[in-house]
Amino acid sequence: DQQVKQNSPSLSVQEGRISILNCDYTNSMFDYFLWYKKYPAEGPTFLISISSIKDKNEDGRFTVFLNKSAKHLSLHIVPSQPGDSAVYFCAAISRRGGADGLTFGKGTHLIIQP
Amino acid sequence: DAGVTQSPTHLIKTRGQQVTLRCSPKSGHDTVSWYQQALGQGPQFIFQYYEEEERQRGNFPDRFSGHQFPNYSSELNVNALLLGDSALYLCASSRGGMNNYGYTFGSGTRLTVV
Repeated sequence: DQQVKQNSPSLSVQEGRISILNCDYTNSMFDYFLWYKKYPAEGPTFLISISSIKDKNEDGRFTVFLNKSAKHLSLHIVPSQPGDSAVYFCAAISRRGGADGLTFGKGTHLIIQP
Repeated sequence: DAGVTQSPTHLIKTRGQQVTLRCSPKSGHDTVSWYQQALGQGPQFIFQYYEEEERQRGNFPDRFSGHQFPNYSSELNVNALLLGDSALYLCASSRGGMNNYGYTFGSGTRLTVV
């Protein structure tokens, strides 16, 4: 039973265009969401996060949007650059108590085409 | 400033054997979490150590155990290895115990059970 779902295993985007990575969750107790980026042979690197009290958080080229009613979040990367090619993981946690660490999705492999 | 260091990087073990994986957290971090990432899956939370105690645990059997030392480094032990334990084991460090999700991940230990 996957509580965090990333339904697109891969996504190909042209350099300079917008990349949109999607994530759905089922556990309404989740109140904090994170995106991690992973290159081959390296550990995941924290990118950006958002609390459930917000609907948007922006950091440079990266913006995360949260739609609580739809239990959906998305990561926008504008403009996409070749170095953005990596696997992106969506993760979630309930901070209100009983948290069992981060729950990750299976990841989306983003490929930026020149 | 060294990040999270994990050893060994690769390991091959036989079914039924025991294995110990090691992690040194990033300088200034006092909390260590362990995750298991099977092929094609996202990382799955095993447990978290803070102040030399296991603070949180995911859905893993007792064959998985750990330890944290006074210098904040940590070990993950797995007994009676099964083929299904083959995975990338990731260590993540942070500061301040629970509710701090600014994790820094190591590059992982690739465990193969034959």
